[in-house]
Amino acid sequence: EIVMTQSPATLSVSPGERATLSCRASQSVSSNLAWYQQKPGQAPRLLIYGASTRATGIPARFSGSGSGTEFTLTISSLQSEDFAVYYCQQYNNWPPAWTFGQGTKVEIK
Amino acid sequence: EVQLVESGGGLVQPGGSLRLSCAASGFTFSSYSMNWVRQAPGKGLEWVSYISSSSSTIYYADSVKGRFTISRDNAKNSLYLQMNSLRDEDTAVYYCARDDRTVIDYWGQGTLVTVSS
Repeated sequence: EIVMTQSPATLSVSPGERATLSCRASQSVSSNLAWYQQKPGQAPRLLIYGASTRATGIPARFSGSGSGTEFTLTISSLQSEDFAVYYCQQYNNWPPAWTFGQGTKVEIK
Repeated sequence: EVQLVESGGGLVQPGGSLRLSCAASGFTFSSYSMNWVRQAPGKGLEWVSYISSSSSTIYYADSVKGRFTISRDNAKNSLYLQMNSLRDEDTAVYYCARDDRTVIDYWGQGTLVTVSS
């Protein structure tokens, strides 16, 4: 099983500041990496796939980078609606045994 | 607009069974693979099962293999998860999720399954 490790567990950021979230895979997943945002009581929402492609309707302040085992999600200027938990997920292996990171909570500083 | 609406969750005793349903709309259901993903209370996300558009290919996480069965009815635009021999650790919100060429792109709001005596 590919283990996904996210850091930090919690990130305290002021509105308007940049947030940088990290995700590491235990083995290479190429660029088969997605990022999701989840707010309390809501379903996850796809932000990024292919490590760096924004999903439909996702604002340009969200960007993803990386390949292989190291990935980053950057939120360039945090808005109030961006405070949430963010998960990375690899979808590289087949048959599917897709795995998620444990999440990074972005909270208001 | 893509919509996925789960139902069928509830309280069940250990060893019991439950069948979850997911009603899909807003897209051509028969053209997409589908998944079930779950989230234990206060925990992260765990992929549970996958079914291809024609039901020809099915996969399960090791944690549910032999106990859960995924199925679909393309005529009814519906996805199902039959859960047998339920355990305490199966307690979670279960999400129905659309699969677009291995990317999980849309999720339902989830249905809560509680396994407890």
